[in-house]
Formats: sequence, C-alpha cells, structure tokens
Amino acid sequence: GAVVSQHPSWVICKSGTSVKIECRSLDFQATTMFWYRQFPKQSLMLMATSNEGSKATYEQGVEKDKFLINHASLTLSTLTVTSAHPEDSSFYICSVIGLAGGIVLDNEQFFGPGTRLTVL
Amino acid sequence: GEDVEQSLFLSVREGDSSVINCTYTDSSSTYLYWYKQEPGAGLQLLTYIFSNMDMKQDQRLTVLLNKKDKHLSLRIADTQTGDSAIYFCAEGNTGFQKLVFGTGTRLLVSP
Repeated sequence: GAVVSQHPSWVICKSGTSVKIECRSLDFQATTMFWYRQFPKQSLMLMATSNEGSKATYEQGVEKDKFLINHASLTLSTLTVTSAHPEDSSFYICSVIGLAGGIVLDNEQFFGPGTRLTVL
Repeated sequence: GEDVEQSLFLSVREGDSSVINCTYTDSSSTYLYWYKQEPGAGLQLLTYIFSNMDMKQDQRLTVLLNKKDKHLSLRIADTQTGDSAIYFCAEGNTGFQKLVFGTGTRLLVSP
C-alpha cells in the first residue's frame, strides 16, 4: 500500500494565527486526497476532497475560506487553517487514493498518521 | 443522508473472541470497511468486503455482512492486548468518492 506522511505531527499555535499542514504520498501518485477532522472520542468527519490540479470540494458546513486546501502535485496536498481559534483544535487526518506502479487503487484510501492541532 | 452506527465500547479478555457490530443505512454501499486506529495515530485498513459478499475471512479476522438488515460485524479471534484500539466501520461506493465512518468502537483487551 501507499505510504502517507503528514507534517507536522502536532502543532500548538496562538489564536488568530494560520497553520499549514502538509500531506505527502511517498511512493504513490495521489490523484485524489481527502481531509478529515476528528474531535476527541469521535468519528472522522470528511472536510473536503481535492483532485490534483483542481479546486477542492468542501463538505456542507466546512468554510472553504477558513480551511484552504491546495493539491498542486500528485504527491502533496496542504491544508491551511486560517485565523485559527480554539474551536479549531482537532486531529486532522489526510488520506489518498490514486496510482501505484501504474495500477489504479481506487477501492482503498491510505491514511496519514494525523496532525494534532491545539489552538491556545 | 448516510448514517453508520456502532457500539461505543467493548471489553474482552486476552484469548477470547471479540465481535464488533456496525449498522448502516445506505443500501447503495458497494464496499464496507473496517479500520483500526491506535492512540494518536491515523487509520489502518484491516479488511473490506464487497456488498455482494456475506462473509470474508482474513487470518484472525472474520467479516460478516447481512445486507438485508444492513448489519456488518468484525470478529477477531484469539484477541491480543495489541488489538486494543478504536475500530471504525465505514461504507463507500464505487469510484471511492467518499467514505462515511461509523462512530468507532473502543476495544479494550485485558490480560
């Protein structure tokens, strides 16, 4: 399967600042990337879906101006939380689907290890 | 919309079998998945089943699907302390546009 990394693994920031989270697929052409958030002891909620080279599609209730997603290449997507507030504190997880060795793997999402964001 | 429900907590002793249950509402689901999440980590795919199957076995894991009742279960044989984690079921459709996750079941395995 694909190896997916996220950076940073955790971040603490002051209220009002912006935070960028990177999601990289290391051996895999990620044609589609998903961003989820997970509150403590809760399930994953899909925030947005992005296809390489095009604008992300946001789920209902997710502010696209607050959560900026860029998927500029087949190996990198970034999520920027702009003007973060304490209620944005959460565990953010990305996942990818795409190509590995020329084979389309579209029935499995490969997940990154997650980024824990704490906004003070 | 789609809804996926799980029991929140399960406690078993090492060596026993664990059965984690899940119900879903979307009858058009093509794939049903089981993921494992250890503390502070991302999700690891354990297994998945196509909606036209009713059982799949993979080493210690057995997945049963009752499509009529929209009920999915994951049985872990000979449960080990290393199996302690949160288990999520999820449903998806062909083309993998979106996964809908269940609420997660926290499995605690005691020695």
